[in-house]
Amino acid sequence: DAKTTQPNSMESNEEEPVHLPCNHSTISGTDYIHWYRQLPSQGPEYVIHGLTSNVNNRMASLAIAEDRKSSTLILHRATLRDAAVYYCILSMNYGGATNKLIFGTGTLLAVQP
Amino acid sequence: DTGVSQDPRHKITKRGQNVTFRCDPISEHNRLYWYRQTLGQGPEFLTYFQNEAQLEKSRLLSDRFSAERPKGSFSTLEIQRTEQGDSAMYLCASRPKVRVNTEAFFGQGTRLTVV
Repeated sequence: DAKTTQPNSMESNEEEPVHLPCNHSTISGTDYIHWYRQLPSQGPEYVIHGLTSNVNNRMASLAIAEDRKSSTLILHRATLRDAAVYYCILSMNYGGATNKLIFGTGTLLAVQP
Repeated sequence: DTGVSQDPRHKITKRGQNVTFRCDPISEHNRLYWYRQTLGQGPEFLTYFQNEAQLEKSRLLSDRFSAERPKGSFSTLEIQRTEQGDSAMYLCASRPKVRVNTEAFFGQGTRLTVV
């Protein structure tokens, strides 16, 4: 399973944008890039995922490098409720696979008021 | 439908006892996953079901662990002869069948403490 590398922790101020980086230099052509976040004492929550093109949804944006070896999760205006551990995950995309999500240790995002 | 449901939310047991956890996935999600998470770590994959078939088991799933998904609906995870090292959060996730790479929906987890 291809691995991802994320900073252990980051800090942001409330109402400012946050850019969470992820390196995945061994990504294969069929791997999707997923982002999940986990609030304290909660199960992980889906944020966004993509393959090659940048993606936007109501929670965040995902910017994927042209060579796909890195990506950035963008929270446009951080709120205190965005304080969580953010996981960048590669998920294989082929029929018959379990498509299990392999979590690393993620980035702990602290949001200051 | 309110999402993936896990029961119980918390379980305290004495070492050597057996425990069983239940997961009710989102209706019509044919894919179901169990994960284990210890403090400060990301969730670790344990096992995967597609409908009622258990298609993959991690090496983390020792012979004291068994999981079932009768009739492809709810799933149970049993731990026999619990050890202190089994103390962790046990998470269940489900995914729909339609597209291969969809989002996974996680339950709130069952926190197990072995004393």
